[in-house]
Amino acid sequence: GENVEQHPSTLSVQEGDSAVIKCTYSDSASNYFPWYKQELGKRPQLIIDIRSNVGEKKDQRIAVTLNKTAKHFSLHITETQPEDSAVYFCAASRGGGADGLTFGKGTHLIIQP
Amino acid sequence: NAGVTQTPKFRILKIGQSMTLQCTQDMNHNYMYWYRQDPGMGLKLIYYSVGAGITDKGEVPNGYNVSRSTTEDFPLRLELAAPSQTSVYFCASSYSRDRGPFGTLHFGNGTRLTVT
Repeated sequence: GENVEQHPSTLSVQEGDSAVIKCTYSDSASNYFPWYKQELGKRPQLIIDIRSNVGEKKDQRIAVTLNKTAKHFSLHITETQPEDSAVYFCAASRGGGADGLTFGKGTHLIIQP
Repeated sequence: NAGVTQTPKFRILKIGQSMTLQCTQDMNHNYMYWYRQDPGMGLKLIYYSVGAGITDKGEVPNGYNVSRSTTEDFPLRLELAAPSQTSVYFCASSYSRDRGPFGTLHFGNGTRLTVT
C-alpha cells in the first residue's frame, strides 16, 4: 500500500518568514495530494490540494508543488502569521479524491512572534 | 447545514466495556469514514462506506464494527474496549466522484476516548 513520509515533525519560524513542509510518497499511481490544517483541539480542514496533472498550485499565501518523478510534494507558506500555528498533514491517494487517502504523521508549525 | 456531527465529545471506558460512537451528516454525502488519531501518528482509516448498506475495512479495523443503514448515519462500535483503543476518533464524509467536489473530507469535531 501507499506510504507517506512527512518532514519535519516540528518546524519553528519567525513571524513573517516562510515555512516549507515536505512529503514523499511510495505509490507511483497516486494522483491526488491534499494538505489539511488542524488547529489545537479542532478538526482537520482542507487548505489546498493538487492533482498529478499539475506541478504547482497557489492560494494567496500558501502554495503546493508536486514532483511526480521524485514522488514528493511540498507545502509553502509565505509571510507566516500567528494564525498559521497548527499541525499540518499531507496525504496521497490513487483514486483522485477523498477515498483511499494515506496521511503523513503531521508537522507541528510554530510561529514565533 | 450542521455538517458532520459526532457524539459524545469525551468518554472514559473501562477495559472490556462496549460503546457506540455516533456520527451523522446533513450534506447528502454518500461516502463516510472513521479515522483514529494518535499523537504523532497522523490519521489512520478504520472503516469507510461508499453508500447505505455498504461498508469496507480500512487500515486499522480490528476491534471495531460499523453499519450504514442510512445515508446520514455511520456509527462506530467498540465491543470489548482495550487500552490500545485510547485515541481521538474522527468521522468524516465526502462526495463520490460523480456527485460533487470529490477531494474534500469534511470532518466532525472528534470524540476523545480513554480506555482504562
